[in-house]
Amino acid sequence: AQSVTQLDSQVPVFEEAPVELRCNYSSSVSVYLFWYVQYPNQGLQLLLKYLSGSTLVKGINGFEAEFNKSQTSFHLRKPSVHISDTAEYFCAVSPKRSNDYKLSFGAGTTVTVRA
Amino acid sequence: ETGVTQSPTHLIKTRGQQVTLRCSSQSGHNTVSWYQQALGQGPQFIFQYYREEENGRGNFPPRFSGLQFPNYSSELNVNALELDDSALYLCASSKPQGGTEAFFGQGTRLTVV
Repeated sequence: AQSVTQLDSQVPVFEEAPVELRCNYSSSVSVYLFWYVQYPNQGLQLLLKYLSGSTLVKGINGFEAEFNKSQTSFHLRKPSVHISDTAEYFCAVSPKRSNDYKLSFGAGTTVTVRA
Repeated sequence: ETGVTQSPTHLIKTRGQQVTLRCSSQSGHNTVSWYQQALGQGPQFIFQYYREEENGRGNFPPRFSGLQFPNYSSELNVNALELDDSALYLCASSKPQGGTEAFFGQGTRLTVV
């Protein structure tokens, strides 16, 4: 079984400031890692994913995340946020196991960007 | 290529009733998953369908059931609705490949009164 913990439920940040959203996971098997964003009244959109290889992955809209296997973490960062980054962010994992494609999500982090 | 579409967008039902939610998957995707997102929570996996067969189920009671059709569209059925079933129900389609992106619909907001 997999579980995901997002360490911050709400993150207020000023426009053009950096932001980091923290995610830790636990799993009995190796996992793929994802960050999704959910804008108000919309579904989820993939920001980035880690499958293998380089532990630093870059995604859309200037986001990046770093996989740390020893700490079982996958923290999301953006060096300079915009008002339009105000949204709910979800960290998720899926097992590296054949025929098992389900996603396990964290509870989410609400990012509010202020001018 | 068309995205994932869900219908209806909003629904109000009375406790004890039954509901059917529908999802059209993205072109080329034969795997559909359903998630329940309660207010202020992350999505919880309900079940997944691959080529019309259930391929994994989360911790939901049997009154949650589903179907996948030959065109890979899908239905989620919930019987004997309870107040706690009020949530956003999300459908996601993907290819049957580990680590592949799941494409989500906008969801159906179900309110049980």
